[in-house]
Amino acid sequence: AQSVTQLDSQVPVFEEAPVELRCNYSSSVSVYLFWYVQYPNQGLQLLLKYLSGSTLVKGINGFEAEFNKSQTSFHLRKPSVHISDTAEYFCAVSDEETSGSRLTFGEGTQLTVNP
Amino acid sequence: EAQVTQNPRYLITVTGKKLTVTCSQNMNHEYMSWYRQDPGLGLRQIYYSMNVEVTDKGDVPEGYKVSRKEKRNFPLILESPSPNQTSLYFCASSFSGRALETQYFGPGTRLLVL
Repeated sequence: AQSVTQLDSQVPVFEEAPVELRCNYSSSVSVYLFWYVQYPNQGLQLLLKYLSGSTLVKGINGFEAEFNKSQTSFHLRKPSVHISDTAEYFCAVSDEETSGSRLTFGEGTQLTVNP
Repeated sequence: EAQVTQNPRYLITVTGKKLTVTCSQNMNHEYMSWYRQDPGLGLRQIYYSMNVEVTDKGDVPEGYKVSRKEKRNFPLILESPSPNQTSLYFCASSFSGRALETQYFGPGTRLLVL
């Protein structure tokens, strides 16, 4: 069985500061890893995903994430955040073994960017 | 515009009164799924469908029903809602249901059961 842990439930930062949102997962098989963003009163939107190959994945809006197999982590980073990045961020995993292409989500991290 | 739509967006009901939340996608996706989102728990899958007339349970199916009579529609049915079904519900779809595919989410339906 898979599980995902997002280590911070809330991350407040100032505008233009760097940010890292942490995600750890556990799985007995190879996984695919995703980061989704949920803006207020909206659905989830894909930021980026890791399927295979290069461990550094670049996504939309200047976000990137690094897959670390030995530490079973997939942390999300942005070098300089904007007010508009304020949202909830979800890390998720899936694998070919689990029926239904189920995405297993973490609990979410609320990123709040302050002026 | 490619999208997943849900209706209604907000719903207040009372215990035991049957309701249906509709979900429709215009991307000709084979795979559709329902999730519920609760604070501190992230999203959990309720039911999914790999194609027309093919549905199966997710992690939290109790108290819910689904049907997939057409490719584009995947309604979620609560035959006898209870307060513990108060939640934010999301419909999602993907091209063929492979685990590596991006799932596209609807805007959500916020349900309050009194």
